[in-house]
Amino acid sequence: DSGVTQTPKHLITATGQRVTLRCSPRSGDLSVYWYQQSLDQGLQFLIQYYNGEERAKGNILERFSAQQFPDLHSELNLSSLELGDSALYFCASSVDLSHQRFAGNTIYFGEGSWLTVV
Amino acid sequence: DQQVKQNSPSLSVQEGRISILNCDYTNSMFDYFLWYKKYPAEGPTFLISISSIKDKNEDGRFTVFLNKSAKHLSLHIVPSQPGDSAVYFCAAKGSRSNYQLIWGAGTKLIIKP
Repeated sequence: DSGVTQTPKHLITATGQRVTLRCSPRSGDLSVYWYQQSLDQGLQFLIQYYNGEERAKGNILERFSAQQFPDLHSELNLSSLELGDSALYFCASSVDLSHQRFAGNTIYFGEGSWLTVV
Repeated sequence: DQQVKQNSPSLSVQEGRISILNCDYTNSMFDYFLWYKKYPAEGPTFLISISSIKDKNEDGRFTVFLNKSAKHLSLHIVPSQPGDSAVYFCAAKGSRSNYQLIWGAGTKLIIKP
């Protein structure tokens, strides 16, 4: 158990709909990251928040947005869903900014949220 | 532009033998490399890392080798055990990526009894 909690674990929705994925980081972790893993694809970094503020953006579509709340939990909002958005979405957290040079080993991942768009 | 490549989607190895997983990168500014292991229905977990100032790092049965001139790293698992069956991700970071981890597509390792 990494200490990172993601809900829901599984979600099936129709094209054009909007969903919200939730993440609670490990206790004490200030950074939250969102990743997307599509079939046969590596982990694609979407966005990072640190203590409520956006810190880095990756390959996140304009239809997607995220936020980190004062209690440090985070939500990833996916709207106007398309079939290609079906993927496993991971949340990860770390105690410090992962862009610090040798801090990669402090990132802890949740179990992921499976999103299926039909 | 895939900066970190794991060209083998899967690898099958006999229990007790050596498993070698490979990873190539294109960005010479990467200076820290990590391997993560992922079991089904779980998130990736950190396994081992190496900085660009080293060419080898060892942790028990796991050793990572870095060849900077070839922009290649490999993970050796000796001896391989059934519990090592998982997907292994290679990741890299450096100043050009603003130190965000850039991930490979993963290699599924299957250890045969």
